[in-house]
Amino acid sequence: GENVEQHPSTLSVQEGDSAVIKCTYSDSASNYFPWYKQELGKGPQLIIDIRSNVGEKKDQRIAVTLNKTAKHFSLHITETQPEDSAVYFCAARSRNAGNMLTFGGGTRLMVKP
Amino acid sequence: GAVVSQHPSWVICKSGTSVKIECRSLDFQATTMFWYRQFPKQSLMLMATSNEGSKATYEQGVEKDKFLINHASLTLSTLTVTSAHPEDSSFYICSARGRGRETQYFGPGTRLLVL
Repeated sequence: GENVEQHPSTLSVQEGDSAVIKCTYSDSASNYFPWYKQELGKGPQLIIDIRSNVGEKKDQRIAVTLNKTAKHFSLHITETQPEDSAVYFCAARSRNAGNMLTFGGGTRLMVKP
Repeated sequence: GAVVSQHPSWVICKSGTSVKIECRSLDFQATTMFWYRQFPKQSLMLMATSNEGSKATYEQGVEKDKFLINHASLTLSTLTVTSAHPEDSSFYICSARGRGRETQYFGPGTRLLVL
């Protein structure tokens, strides 16, 4: 089945700096890659997603890039703010896995003011 | 984005009792709903998937008689933790997806504490 690895597990940046979180997946049939942000005590919230026919997608300070050949995708947050502090999860959806999402292990991002 | 609600947001119960958690999609029809369990500082663990009007499909290792899932309508799914024990204490999160759609939207979660 699909396996998604996420790095780093924790990331600390200074306010205003950029943060990059990387994920790799194993199933070449995966075609949809969402990113979720989870604040303490809350459910995950979708922040951006990308489909396999697109290499990059941007939404204000957040961008996601996808390299299908290498089977990895990354989340980029620019001009980080303290409210960006949360746990971020990447996921991959594969037809071979019944169109289920397989999640990475999560990255705890801390933005220091 | 679409809105998914969960009720209750937290519950404390005595060991041996049953607890029901409701998950509702507020502004779309959720043909598929998912139930996850999350331990502190860990990722989401899929427990089961349910399609409206069908029996839930449970992941390996999840007891179907322990965690009863009902998806009776396109906007409501329930998870009942039967005869709860302290080891069932966890954060339970539902997620919903519309027909033919890829995006899954999550509820706010329910924190269960079994004494």
